[in-house]
Amino acid sequence: SAVISQKPSRDICQRGTSLTIQCQVDSQVTMMFWYRQQPGQSLTLIATANQGSEATYESGFVIDKFPISRPNLTFSTLTVSNMSPEDSSIYLCSVGDRGQQPQHFGDGTRLSIL
Amino acid sequence: GDSVTQMEGPVTLSEEAFLTINCTYTATGYPSLFWYVQYPGEGLQLLLKATKADDKGSNKGFEATYRKETTSFHLEKGSVQVSDSAVYFCALSDSLQGGSEKLVFGKGTKLTVNP
Repeated sequence: SAVISQKPSRDICQRGTSLTIQCQVDSQVTMMFWYRQQPGQSLTLIATANQGSEATYESGFVIDKFPISRPNLTFSTLTVSNMSPEDSSIYLCSVGDRGQQPQHFGDGTRLSIL
Repeated sequence: GDSVTQMEGPVTLSEEAFLTINCTYTATGYPSLFWYVQYPGEGLQLLLKATKADDKGSNKGFEATYRKETTSFHLEKGSVQVSDSAVYFCALSDSLQGGSEKLVFGKGTKLTVNP
């Protein structure tokens, strides 16, 4: 299965700032996703990162708050903008190939906002 | 929309006890079903999967059978170990839902195994 590297693994940020999380895969993949896991909760899909076009966001998530880039088939970034304490979560990148399951996950970025 | 309902935790067992974590689902299409495990401080790892009715997924002594008639995918292990302590997530992927193949997760069940 694909090896997924996420950076940073954790960070503590100030309210009002922004942080960009990187997801690097060791092979080309069709699908890349970004999930959020709030403390003690399950995972919720933020968006599907589309190569060469705008990401597809789930209900409740907007591009201004969570801009996503995917310049090629092995890399994506998620930015958490204008952070507030409610954004304290684990953010996880996952990858997969269309028509094939399962998705594989990175180790996540543990984000705390003061 | 699609949903997954998972047994609430936490679950605490003694080593070598039998484990069942219940999972039921609602889907409009023909979903694939998964169990993922999250060890403390780590990301999610795929534990097992089943892609069609009556399939049995198995890995590391864990098993789950895709039961279409009861829309269930219960996780079982005959003899748990301390190293099985983790959070377990049931999930589905319904490719007929817009073709995005996104995963829908249950709320997770925290398992603690005591020596």
